[in-house]
Amino acid sequence: DQQVKQNSPSLSVQEGRISILNCDYTNSMFDYFLWYKKYPAEGPTFLISISSIKDKNEDGRFTVFLNKSAKHLSLHIVPSQPGDSAVYFCAASATNTDKLIFGTGTRLQVFP
Amino acid sequence: NAGVTQTPKFQVLKTGQSMTLQCAQDMNHEYMSWYRQDPGMGLRLIHYSVGAGITDQGEVPNGYNVSRSTTEDFPLRLLSAAPSQTSVYFCASKLGSIDGYTFGSGTRLTVV
Repeated sequence: DQQVKQNSPSLSVQEGRISILNCDYTNSMFDYFLWYKKYPAEGPTFLISISSIKDKNEDGRFTVFLNKSAKHLSLHIVPSQPGDSAVYFCAASATNTDKLIFGTGTRLQVFP
Repeated sequence: NAGVTQTPKFQVLKTGQSMTLQCAQDMNHEYMSWYRQDPGMGLRLIHYSVGAGITDQGEVPNGYNVSRSTTEDFPLRLLSAAPSQTSVYFCASKLGSIDGYTFGSGTRLTVV
């Protein structure tokens, strides 16, 4: 059973516009959430995280929003750039287990 | 500073063969994990460790063994390779429970 779900396998956005990537989770014990970015033939790289005690975290062009009641988080990229084209993974963990569970990923393409 | 080093980068095995995927980190990180990436499945946790001498199972542990005799190394052993274990394997490490993982560049394994 997939505990972390990314229902959109792909997203295409024009350069300069906003990219919104979505993630849903089912395990109510999850209290820490992360986003990773992955280019082909490379390992994922950490992008941004959020604790369940917050509902928003910003880092430059990247903002993560958490809606605990809906068990939903999203990553906003503004403005989107061609170099943002990659696969984005959502991940979640519960502090009592230390397991980090990933979603299936969303491929973002930013076109000029 | 090498980060997380995985060897080999590519490997072809015959069904039934055994092998060890090596993972080493030089950042004095306590936490280490092994993931496999398959098309449409995202990253799935195989085994993880929260410190030397401590390991635990992830989402898909069957067919794999791990040990953590030192902080630096976290090898993954395939006991009897099967075609279903054809995948890209990523090792990752992090300092503390709320930190983001640093990933290696991956090992592409094909079992024929």
